[in-house]
Amino acid sequence: DQQVKQNSPSLSVQEGRISILNCDYTNSMFDYFLWYKKYPAEGPTFLISISSIKDKNEDGRFTVFLNKSAKHLSLHIVPSQPGDSAVYFCAASLIQGAQKLVFGQGTRLTINP
Amino acid sequence: ETGVTQTPRHLVMGMTNKKSLKCEQHLGHNAMYWYKQSAKKPLELMFVYSLEERVENNSVPSRFSPECPNSSHLFLHLHTLQPEDSALYLCASSQGQGLGNYGYTFGSGTRLTVV
Repeated sequence: DQQVKQNSPSLSVQEGRISILNCDYTNSMFDYFLWYKKYPAEGPTFLISISSIKDKNEDGRFTVFLNKSAKHLSLHIVPSQPGDSAVYFCAASLIQGAQKLVFGQGTRLTINP
Repeated sequence: ETGVTQTPRHLVMGMTNKKSLKCEQHLGHNAMYWYKQSAKKPLELMFVYSLEERVENNSVPSRFSPECPNSSHLFLHLHTLQPEDSALYLCASSQGQGLGNYGYTFGSGTRLTVV
């Protein structure tokens, strides 16, 4: 049972436009959500996060939106830049014994010049 | 450099070999994790160590054996692997009692190929 789902394996966006990456989750016990970015041959790096008590968090070009009733979050990148081309993982935090992150399968974002 | 170092970066091994993956963190974290990343699949949590004690083992086959001798080092011992075990193995660390704002800090991974 996959608790965190990223249904779009890939997304292609023109440079300067908005990129929107989506993530759905099934477990209402998740209390914290994060986005990670991964370049080839590197480990994932933290991008932005949001607590379940908020519905929006913004950091420069990156904004994460959380819709708890729909169990859905999204990452907006605007304007998109070529360096944003990477795989983006959505993750949710669950406290079960040890606190742990549950990841989605990732979305490959390609920014076209 | 993220502060989490994994060696080797690449490993090719036969099904009868024994090898070990190493992870070292210099962040003062007290929880460490092994994840497996296969193509088109979510990152799969394999093991969790908190304060050097294994607190989670997600039904991982016994051909994978973790070891955490101290809070800075984590090993994954491999023996008699199968070709389907070929994947990117990622180590991560965190503050064990809370993720803080950044969740985990990942290493660059070991790309394992079983032949």
